[in-house]
Amino acid sequence: GENVEQHPSTLSVQEGDSAVIKCTYSDSASNYFPWYKQELGKGPQLIIDIRSNVGEKKDQRIAVTLNKTAKHFSLHITETQPEDSAVYFCAAPPSGSRLTFGEGTQLTVNP
Amino acid sequence: GAGVSQSPSNKVTEKGKDVELRCDPISGHTALYWYRQRLGQGLEFLIYFQGNSAPDKSGLPSDRFSAERTGESVSTLTIQRTQQEDSAVYLCASSLTWGFGNTIYFGEGSWLTVV
Repeated sequence: GENVEQHPSTLSVQEGDSAVIKCTYSDSASNYFPWYKQELGKGPQLIIDIRSNVGEKKDQRIAVTLNKTAKHFSLHITETQPEDSAVYFCAAPPSGSRLTFGEGTQLTVNP
Repeated sequence: GAGVSQSPSNKVTEKGKDVELRCDPISGHTALYWYRQRLGQGLEFLIYFQGNSAPDKSGLPSDRFSAERTGESVSTLTIQRTQQEDSAVYLCASSLTWGFGNTIYFGEGSWLTVV
């Protein structure tokens, strides 16, 4: 089945700095890569996703890049703010099956 | 409804008792998923439904766990003879259909504590 590895497990940045979280996947047939944000005590919420026909997608301060050759994709958050503090999960669907999630990254933005 | 709704939001139960967790997906969503999340851990897949059928039950951790869905809507996850290791947040999610590229929307979860 699909194996999704996410790094780092924890990330601490100063407000205004950038944060980058990286995920690698194993199934070359995967073609949809979402990122979820989970705030304390809440369910995960989709923040951005990318499909395999594009290499990068941007939405204000958030961007995702995809390298299909290397089988990795990354979440980039610029000009981080304290409200960005949360756990972030990447996911990838193995062929013909449900989403497999990474282990999560606890992002802390220090004011 | 506007989003995925789960109940109860919190449940404390004694070891050995049975519990039922309920999920109301977004109206019109045919695919429904259950995940388990232990404290500080990632999302562990349990089961998904396409309509009322569950093609993939591979994630259910033991035969104490079961789930059903009726009317292509509400789903119930049942845990029999609960154990302390069952303590976790149980997250339900739904998507318009099953398959690549369908955005999955999560509920807020049911926090289960077994004492």
